[in-house]
Amino acid sequence: AQSVTQLDSHVSVSEGTPVLLRCNYSSSYSPSLFWYVQHPNKGLQLLLKYTSAATLVKGINGFEAEFKKSETSFHLTKPSAHMSDAAEYFCVVSDSGNTPLVFGKGTRLSVIA
Amino acid sequence: ETGVTQTPRHLVMGMTNKKSLKCEQHLGHNAMYWYKQSAKKPLELMFVYNFKEQTENNSVPSRFSPECPNSSHLFLHLHTLQPEDSALYLCASSQDPSGGALGTDTQYFGPGTRLTVL
Repeated sequence: AQSVTQLDSHVSVSEGTPVLLRCNYSSSYSPSLFWYVQHPNKGLQLLLKYTSAATLVKGINGFEAEFKKSETSFHLTKPSAHMSDAAEYFCVVSDSGNTPLVFGKGTRLSVIA
Repeated sequence: ETGVTQTPRHLVMGMTNKKSLKCEQHLGHNAMYWYKQSAKKPLELMFVYNFKEQTENNSVPSRFSPECPNSSHLFLHLHTLQPEDSALYLCASSQDPSGGALGTDTQYFGPGTRLTVL
């Protein structure tokens, strides 16, 4: 069975400093992994996805994530936070095959001016 | 309009009311999904439709009744709901050739309907 754990429910950073949102997963197969972002009163938007190609995945808005199989992690990073990055971020896993997406509980990112 | 749209954006209903949520996708996708997003809980998949056929029903109570008349439209009919059904209901679509809720296909989400049951 697949599962995903987002290690922090809330992360607060200063504008211009790096962002790290942590995610660990459990999967019986070779997983597909995603990060989605949800701004207030909006739907979820895909930031990036990993599907067994390059382990370092670059997404939109300067975000990237690295798939580390040995650590079962898929942490999301960004070198320099912007105020517009303040939102809820969801780590998502799916086993290869015909299985639904499993979402983490989300991490709320606050960016302080 | 582009992407995935949902109406209404907000809905308040009593427990004896009957209402429907509507979702429309303009992306040419063949798979559509209903999710429930409650406070402090992970997103929960409710239903999946692929080529208008329901392929997933995630043990959802019968007071929620989905309908998919074509690949572009998805409805969620609501009747005799409970206050604990209050949540954000999100619709999504994807291009899914596998016939199921294959995770490798990117899902595109609508803005959601904020439902409050009194």
